[in-house]
Amino acid sequence: KAGVTQTPRYLIKTRGQQVTLSCSPISGHRSVSWYQQTPGQGLQFLFEYFSETQRNKGNFPGRFSGRQFSNSRSEMNVSTLELGDSALYLCASSPRTDNSPLHFGNGTRLTVT
Amino acid sequence: GDSVTQMEGPVTLSEEAFLTINCTYTATGYPSLFWYVQYPGEGLQLLLKATKADDKGSNKGFEATYRKETTSFHLEKGSVQVSDSAVYFCALTVNQAGTALIFGKGTTLSVSS
Repeated sequence: KAGVTQTPRYLIKTRGQQVTLSCSPISGHRSVSWYQQTPGQGLQFLFEYFSETQRNKGNFPGRFSGRQFSNSRSEMNVSTLELGDSALYLCASSPRTDNSPLHFGNGTRLTVT
Repeated sequence: GDSVTQMEGPVTLSEEAFLTINCTYTATGYPSLFWYVQYPGEGLQLLLKATKADDKGSNKGFEATYRKETTSFHLEKGSVQVSDSAVYFCALTVNQAGTALIFGKGTTLSVSS
């Protein structure tokens, strides 16, 4: 069974630009969540989607948004990029929204210059 | 707000040594607790979990007990191996869904032969 796939693996953007990251969950998983990992703040929850609906949202500005498609694939978008948005963005999927284990992808490394 | 504090690393041990990584938490309500591990070059994966007080999670020789009275979930292993070298993250849920995790900063474990 294929794992969680995130594309692209690496991305370099300039301040002020916007970026879209993609996540394909494990087949059959309907819940997708996103996390930001930085050396200073560690792992922080961004948002979670289940059946195309956002169920939870972390404490991030409105520049961070996401969506989920009918096939459970998810995208997250960051607009008006800032230097501080440089991070590893991790996507995780699970079959349900209970305490099922999260399966993480290897992440997208975003560098903002 | 809810938070997780885990001991800072790096932790350096010789093979077959005893391992303890401390984790304490602050949470409203009754969170579920998790340990995730990130091996070099791989994504985060669930190591073990406990969903209520006094539960003991175990996997691959690792154990952790949910202690409500001390708000702790310390990770232990009786005899570490070189292959256990990784970054370990303690985490808790903020909601019943269990997908919006709050993570500790991570502890790097290095085991030498």
